[in-house]
Amino acid sequence: AQSVAQPEDQVNVAEGNPLTVKCTYSVSGNPYLFWYVQYPNRGLQFLLKYITGDNLVKGSYGFEAEFNKSQTSFHLKKPSALVSDSALYFCAVRPRSGSARQLTFGSGTQLTVLP
Amino acid sequence: DTAVSQTPKYLVTQMGNDKSIKCEQNLGHDTMYWYKQDSKKFLKIMFSYNNKELIINETVPNRFSPKSPDKAHLNLHINSLELGDSAVYFCASSQGGQLNTEAFFGQGTRLTVV
Repeated sequence: AQSVAQPEDQVNVAEGNPLTVKCTYSVSGNPYLFWYVQYPNRGLQFLLKYITGDNLVKGSYGFEAEFNKSQTSFHLKKPSALVSDSALYFCAVRPRSGSARQLTFGSGTQLTVLP
Repeated sequence: DTAVSQTPKYLVTQMGNDKSIKCEQNLGHDTMYWYKQDSKKFLKIMFSYNNKELIINETVPNRFSPKSPDKAHLNLHINSLELGDSAVYFCASSQGGQLNTEAFFGQGTRLTVV
């Protein structure tokens, strides 16, 4: 069975500082990995995904994520945080084969960027 | 043009009632999902349909019944609502044959059972 862990429920960072939101996964083989963001009272919005190739993936709004196979991690990063980045972030995994098409999500990390 | 739309956005109802949530996607996707987000924001898959066929049915009470009249629609009907059903329900869609594609989510339906 596939699973995703986001070890931090809450991450606080000052505006202008770099941010990292952590994600580790457990799945057979190499999965597809995704990050989504949820603003208050809104649905989930896709940020970026890892399929293959370069381990550093760039996505929307200046976010990027680094795939690390040996550590089974896919941490979300941004060089300079904005107050508007404050939201709930979800990491998700989907296996490359099999009948399971659904995304399995982590428990979410609330990011607060302080002005 | 909204890609995945759910109605209603808010639903307040009494215990024991039956209610439905509708979902439509205009992305041409062949796979649709229902997710439940609980009060702690945890997202859990409930159902998945591919080309109108049920392919995932997680451990969900049989009071919940999905119905897919066509590839663009996946409705969720809930019988005999209970307090514990209060949550936000998200519909999503993706192109099922392409596992590397992202899913698109609706805005959610906040269900409150009183």
